[in-house]
Amino acid sequence: EAAVTQSPRNKVAVTGGKVTLSCNQTNNHNNMYWYRQDTGHGLRLIHYSYGAGSTEKGDIPDGYKASRPSQENFSLILELATPSQTSVYFCASGDENWGRDAEQFFGPGTRLTVL
Amino acid sequence: GDSVTQTEGLVTLTEGLPVMLNCTYQTIYSNPFLFWYVQHLNESPRLLLKSFTDNKRTEHQGFHATLHKSSSSFHLQKSSAQLSDSALYYCALSEGQGGRALIFGTGTTVSVSP
Repeated sequence: EAAVTQSPRNKVAVTGGKVTLSCNQTNNHNNMYWYRQDTGHGLRLIHYSYGAGSTEKGDIPDGYKASRPSQENFSLILELATPSQTSVYFCASGDENWGRDAEQFFGPGTRLTVL
Repeated sequence: GDSVTQTEGLVTLTEGLPVMLNCTYQTIYSNPFLFWYVQHLNESPRLLLKSFTDNKRTEHQGFHATLHKSSSSFHLQKSSAQLSDSALYYCALSEGQGGRALIFGTGTTVSVSP
């Protein structure tokens, strides 16, 4: 069974503080992704990675950094958190082979509130 | 750039009635992959069905969709809605082999009442 876990599951941060969201996958997938979900906007891609050591900017990367230290782990970093970054964040992993078996597996999500 | 459009933000219907959710897309890629993901309340999105074959019906868990490249559409249908179908549905597009990531629409919330 595909497994993507995220920590923490809930986080309250203060404006200007640093926040790190962690993601771990045991699927042995090369690709990992960070999305945020907001009503009216759906799922929007923040950063993604093709493998350990690589990070790429998605559609809304401003204010976020990403780190992929290993195949299994992918972190999202908010150096200076702002209230506009209050959202639900999902991590996902996927196979690099976008063939007929292509699918992304999502973690349970992290609810972040920035006060 | 590539995009996915879901025109309905909210669909409300009575149990037993048919469901149809619209999805159209824009892409320069000639062989896109289209997906429907479903997200129940307090859960994460999961794959419902997918297709990359033009004009071929794909079915899963009572839902079906057909990719029509001529009209750039991938509408989701079900003949008879159940209470358990209440959820958020996302249509998504992939550029195919070597593609960057999924491009999601804004989602359609389906609310089924007795």
